[in-house]
Amino acid sequence: SQQGEEDPQALSIQEGENATMNCSYKTSINNLQWYRQNSGRGLVHLILIRSNEREKHSGRLRVTLDTSKKSSSLLITASRAADTASYFCALNQAGTALIFGKGTTLSVSS
Amino acid sequence: SQTIHQWPATLVQPVGSPLSLECTVEGTSNPNLYWYRQAAGRGLQLLFYSVGIGQISSEVPQNLSASRPQDRQFILSSKKLLLSDSGFYLCAWGAGMNTEAFFGQGTRLTVV
Repeated sequence: SQQGEEDPQALSIQEGENATMNCSYKTSINNLQWYRQNSGRGLVHLILIRSNEREKHSGRLRVTLDTSKKSSSLLITASRAADTASYFCALNQAGTALIFGKGTTLSVSS
Repeated sequence: SQTIHQWPATLVQPVGSPLSLECTVEGTSNPNLYWYRQAAGRGLQLLFYSVGIGQISSEVPQNLSASRPQDRQFILSSKKLLLSDSGFYLCAWGAGMNTEAFFGQGTRLTVV
């Protein structure tokens, strides 16, 4: 099973700016999920987007999915210092557990 | 509400010693259970998953094993630890294979 690849690996922005992270993959998926991990902690689920959906919103988060390009993006608007964390995309494929990418480390400075 | 407990939070073990990490879930029945490992600054590697009692799927051949003796209990074991077993071990549960996963707080294992 293939993992997603996040881009960029690291991102540094100022508070109030938007942060965009991308995830590309190579296989067919049932859904794609985004998770957040604060340093040294477990992962927290953010958004699940199904293969037949193109866009989902949750508060300041916006996720898009383009299955023709096999890519997804996570947009965090009006970033805060508390958004500093690592963000992972996870692929849900038929018959197996979630496969995670290597993540994007986001640093938001005040 | 559902909760997941994973312990211990940190563990330092000598090479060649055995390992037992336990994970339990409350507030749900027949969950899917997962063990992942995260090396420093890296992504998550799926180790094992289970869709029911006694049903274990192994994703990576290694000196680790997993067991599910009860519906909501998932145990990660090793008979003899290697230095390369060091890492951050995460247990998670999900209602199904196509749903989101909920993670425990992790165990940081250092093999010395």
